[in-house]
Amino acid sequence: NAGVTQTPKFRILKIGQSMTLQCAQDMNHNYMYWYRQDPGMGLKLIYYSVGAGITDKGEVPNGYNVSRSTTEDFPLRLELAAPSQTSVYFCASSYSGEGVKPSFGPGTRLTVT
Amino acid sequence: AQSVSQHNHHVILSEAASLELGCNYSYGGTVNLFWYVQYPGQHLQLLLKYFSGDPLVKGIKGFEAEFIKSKFSFNLRKPSVQWSDTAEYFCAAITGRRALTFGSGTRLQVQP
Repeated sequence: NAGVTQTPKFRILKIGQSMTLQCAQDMNHNYMYWYRQDPGMGLKLIYYSVGAGITDKGEVPNGYNVSRSTTEDFPLRLELAAPSQTSVYFCASSYSGEGVKPSFGPGTRLTVT
Repeated sequence: AQSVSQHNHHVILSEAASLELGCNYSYGGTVNLFWYVQYPGQHLQLLLKYFSGDPLVKGIKGFEAEFIKSKFSFNLRKPSVQWSDTAEYFCAAITGRRALTFGSGTRLQVQP
């Protein structure tokens, strides 16, 4: 199993540009999450999904969109990049059964200038 | 809404000192609790987890944590830290909706 994979690893965007951060998992997990981690801060939940076709906002959803058309993929879309979105983005997945244990991807470091 | 609090933001210890990092959660129902570690430049790794049963949980690298339901706490401990334990430590909890919520993290610096 590859676990949770994220692409790209690094990206620099100009203000106003858009991009999609990709996340995929091959563990058949039904729950998937997007977090952002700012320097010296914890992880803030952006969006999450409890299954294909179902998404919900987390703590800091503004400026982002997600979709979940398949169990495996959970892309995060930034439509109009702003400097405040400079951060490290982590995707995670888990299973809703007993003893859920989230798995994390390696992260995407995004800089908006 | 559930929240997770870590009150120690930055801890500096000498090697062989004992460690205790505080974690409190606000959720009143059934809760799953986790401690993650993030070494510099790396992504999160799971140290230990609590789902149910024995409230004293042992994890990797000599870490343990104690779940005290009456205090809504899940403190992380290690009897003797090493320089290689220098990292950031995150406490996390899962709500009934299964959205994993993190504390703000504690940066641990171990001096040789």
